[in-house]
Formats: sequence, structure tokens, C-alpha cells
Amino acid sequence: KNEVEQSPQNLTAQEGEFITINCSYSVGISALHWLQQHPGGGIVSLFMLSSGKKKHGRLIATINIQEKHSSLHITASHPRDSAVYICAVRIQGAQKLVFGQGTRLTINP
Amino acid sequence: NAGVTQTPKFQVLKTGQSMTLQCAQDMNHNSMYWYRQDPGMGLRLIYYSASEGTTDKGEVPNGYNVSRLNKREFSLRLESAAPSQTSVYFCASTFNRLLGYEQYFGPGTRLTVT
Repeated sequence: KNEVEQSPQNLTAQEGEFITINCSYSVGISALHWLQQHPGGGIVSLFMLSSGKKKHGRLIATINIQEKHSSLHITASHPRDSAVYICAVRIQGAQKLVFGQGTRLTINP
Repeated sequence: NAGVTQTPKFQVLKTGQSMTLQCAQDMNHNSMYWYRQDPGMGLRLIYYSASEGTTDKGEVPNGYNVSRLNKREFSLRLESAAPSQTSVYFCASTFNRLLGYEQYFGPGTRLTVT
């Protein structure tokens, strides 16, 4: 079993829909990252969080440390949100990130 | 600032050839990383450098060597390329790995070994 599991693996939705991507992990962590990879391949960091909730524009990330679970929400989704969203965790005491396999999101106009 | 830059963007090698992937960052970051990304798999860490002068193995180091040339530059070398090393390679950097600062990624190098 992977240490970081994302669901769903693929998600297709219509423009304007509310999107939720989930990330569960099985180890103690010091931080959780959400990344976005565009079809061109570039990877950008969206959020880094260790507790609570963060918001940036239409994106919201939450984390529940007790339940070892995080969600990434997109409100009023748009075709330009189409990308692969990657969850990664920094394991406590370790020196690396462990990545989920990613969720491929497609938003149709 | 250019952020994290990688060269080349694309490369085709024959089995047994060698090459070096270059990575540089201009953000004064302490830590640098090399990952590979394969279809259906998450990013996997090949090597990392916590600070100038240090390097450590990651999850999949076999077949690779690295050099942290200075604080800015971190190179990845394939001494004898194999088809299993066909992948997309990403370099990343972060200010302070222990505090979990966010990672900044380069644009990637798409490598094909025939």
C-alpha cells in the first residue's frame, strides 16, 4: 500500500462545478503539499499546510491531522483548471517528500 | 529571477551512452532534489542535496550520480544509460527542508533511451 493515496485518479466535470480531490496518508507528517502539473509538464506548488485550512483564490486546501486526510477544493471550476493535482507529504524526521500518484482533472466548457 | 532551470529539455540516448542533466536555481535555496516521473507512478526521489557539499541517496539512486557543484547548481549524471531510465526528470529546490518549505520545480527534461 502506498504511503500517500489520492482519489479519484481521474475526474471529469463541467465548467462551474465544485471540485474535491482527496489525499490520505498513513504516516506521521510534518507538512503536506498540494502541487499542480499542467499538460505542458511544469509543476507548481499550490499549498503547503500542516494544520487547518488555506485559501488562494478559488482553491481551498484543508487538512485533518488526526484523520490523516487532506482535501483540495476548487470552486467555480474553469477549463484552465484542467491539470494533474499531486499530493505530497513530508514524513516526520525524514528528509524527503513522498508523492501520491496524482489526480487528473478535466474541466469541460 | 529565473527560478529553477534545467537543461536540456529533451534528449535521446542510445543504451550505454552517458550524459549529464544540469540544474540551477537563483533563489539562494539550501536544498536541491532530483526526481523522476514515470507514467502511472508518482514522482520518485533519485538524489538530494541538503546543503552545498552534501548529497544523499533517495528512493531510486541506482544508475545515477550527482554533484552539488555550488549552492546554485546540482547535476545528475547517467554513466551508462539504460532503457529503464527513460523518464521525465525534474529538479527542485527548497529553502529549508527541515521546516518543510515549499519546493520549486524546474521545467523537466524528457529523456528517451533506445
